Amino acid sequence: GIQVEQSPPDLILQEGANSTLRCNFSDSVNNLQWFHQNPWGQLINLFYIPSGTKQNGRLSATTVATERYSLLYISSSQTTDSGVYFCAVEETSGSRLTFGEGTQLTVNP
Amino acid sequence: NAGVTQTPKFRVLKTGQSMTLLCAQDMNHEYMYWYRQDPGMGLRLIHYSVGEGTTAKGEVPDGYNVSRLKKQNFLLGLESAAPSQTSVYFCASRPILLAGGYTFGSGTRLTVV
Repeated sequence: GIQVEQSPPDLILQEGANSTLRCNFSDSVNNLQWFHQNPWGQLINLFYIPSGTKQNGRLSATTVATERYSLLYISSSQTTDSGVYFCAVEETSGSRLTFGEGTQLTVNP
Repeated sequence: NAGVTQTPKFRVLKTGQSMTLLCAQDMNHEYMYWYRQDPGMGLRLIHYSVGEGTTAKGEVPDGYNVSRLKKQNFLLGLESAAPSQTSVYFCASRPILLAGGYTFGSGTRLTVV
């Protein structure tokens, strides 16, 4: 099956800093989503982005499908951005979502 | 529009007991999924369904059974719960034509003692 690797595994920032999270995947995909899991365990869908670039407020994401990676940018980070960020992909030959191990983000005041 | 609803939200079971987790979606999605999440890990697929009356095994199916008798509902059963099944369970659904991706429920936290 498809492999999904996220980096870095852990990231600690001061409030106001910017960060970039990376997701590499091993095969062609027809779906890529970024999720934020908040401290209460809820999975928040941030982006559906199988290709191209999207922006939503302080967050933006870019997927380069031909090179099999996606980047999530967080600008002017806030303490509420803390939590785990997951990348998940669905390969073109399948109909199920495979998750990476996540990036644990801690934003300190 | 409730999206994906999971019941119950929390449950404690004794080893050997059985239970059923219910997932309901009101978006007329064809595909539905059950995932489990263990501490410090990503979500792993247990079983999934691509339509009413059909189910398939995922990455970690052992110890679980599922049924999709109605399009809007996907049930996950534990016949004889084990401590290794202590986890957070997430249900998800998506339409046939991917437009917006998967929608997840809020999770069920299950502890088996």
